[in-house]
Amino acid sequence: GAGVSQSPRYKVAKRGQDVALRCDPISGHVSLFWYQQALGQGPEFLTYFQNEAQLDKSGLPSDRFFAERPEGSVSTLKIQRTQQEDSAVYLCASSLASGITDTQYFGPGTRLTVL
Amino acid sequence: DQQVKQNSPSLSVQEGRISILNCDYTNSMFDYFLWYKKYPAEGPTFLISISSIKDKNEDGRFTVFLNKSAKHLSLHIVPSQPGDSAVYFCAASGGTGNMLTFGGGTRLMVKP
Repeated sequence: GAGVSQSPRYKVAKRGQDVALRCDPISGHVSLFWYQQALGQGPEFLTYFQNEAQLDKSGLPSDRFFAERPEGSVSTLKIQRTQQEDSAVYLCASSLASGITDTQYFGPGTRLTVL
Repeated sequence: DQQVKQNSPSLSVQEGRISILNCDYTNSMFDYFLWYKKYPAEGPTFLISISSIKDKNEDGRFTVFLNKSAKHLSLHIVPSQPGDSAVYFCAASGGTGNMLTFGGGTRLMVKP
């Protein structure tokens, strides 16, 4: 079956530009997570949705980062006025339910490069 | 302050031998632990998990061991195969949310 998909796979932005990254979770998955992975490091949590409700945004690094999942399916992570330190791979994951033992399935990520 | 640490950035093993990857954590609220495998240009793929009520979980060639008193877990791969060459991430969850906290990863190279 189809896994988690993300688009675009690669994005180059000039400093100060706004970007929007899309995540299509596995159909029927209730939970959706965004993670940021800097070069040579492990993924770090950004935000979590249960259906359309954003239940945790404690990992968003600044108010330039905004995420939404308006219909409880597709999610968009938006970064306003991009900075060089925003360069990273942005990973989306979904899980069937909301328990800690529900496996999170990851998409391939979007590699963002800010020049 | 890193709550999950993988102190070995890389590991090289001969095909057919055992690979042992290690992970340490500091947050005593963690009660569920996972290993993910990642190939270049792909997202992490779930490998195996263990709950804090167990000290061992086995799935085929992969076994995860948990030592709660030492706040340490390890992944054993026996026998190692060249296709196992990848970056392995240890992750933990529990406490205040179901998000995953990852270690920095260990690059495993299995030589034919």
